[in-house]
Amino acid sequence: SQTIHQWPATLVQPVGSPLSLECTVEGTSNPNLYWYRQAAGRGLQLLFYSVGIGQISSEVPQNLSASRPQDRQFILSSKKLLLSDSGFYLCAWTRVGGLGSPLHFGNGTRLTVT
Amino acid sequence: EDQVTQSPEALRLQEGESSSLNCSYTVSGLRGLFWYRQDPGKGPEFLFTLYSAGEEKEKERLKATLTKKESFLHITAPKPEDSATYLCAVPHPSGNTGKLIFGQGTTLQVKP
Repeated sequence: SQTIHQWPATLVQPVGSPLSLECTVEGTSNPNLYWYRQAAGRGLQLLFYSVGIGQISSEVPQNLSASRPQDRQFILSSKKLLLSDSGFYLCAWTRVGGLGSPLHFGNGTRLTVT
Repeated sequence: EDQVTQSPEALRLQEGESSSLNCSYTVSGLRGLFWYRQDPGKGPEFLFTLYSAGEEKEKERLKATLTKKESFLHITAPKPEDSATYLCAVPHPSGNTGKLIFGQGTTLQVKP
């Protein structure tokens, strides 16, 4: 079976510090990978997605970047955090088929920028 | 504009009091509708996929149904452990990227 791991679970970082959140998927190959952010009030905002190694699509221009150095690894980064980067970050994967496929989420990282 | 709207935003029920959550969508060429459950501080947990109007899926006290314009999540005789936020989502119509459009969710509270 497939599993998705995301870490750390919580993170408190000062403004201006760098960020690196990591996500890995096990039990599948060539997944599509996604980073979402969920602000208080539950709306899920797609930040980045990747359909293959080194292929990153950005949905929202902002202070963050993403990378996919390996097939099942997805990293969310920032060089200098802003207060507005605080939120709940979720990684997800799917196998894209002919019909729509559900996303499967990790348990998220709660980021607080102070 | 492609969008997904859920109602109500919040719902309080007594244990055993059945009700329904609504998810309406305006997406051309629907390729599925997904329901998720999200507990506080956790990622959304996939519940159901519905692909065509008239389709129904069940899991314990939950039953999801789909029409051409909306989906309902029926909760029969809910228990306090059913308390969570329920999200619905549809595939984004642009290409085969796997992106989903999410509703804002319905937060369900079931009191004993």
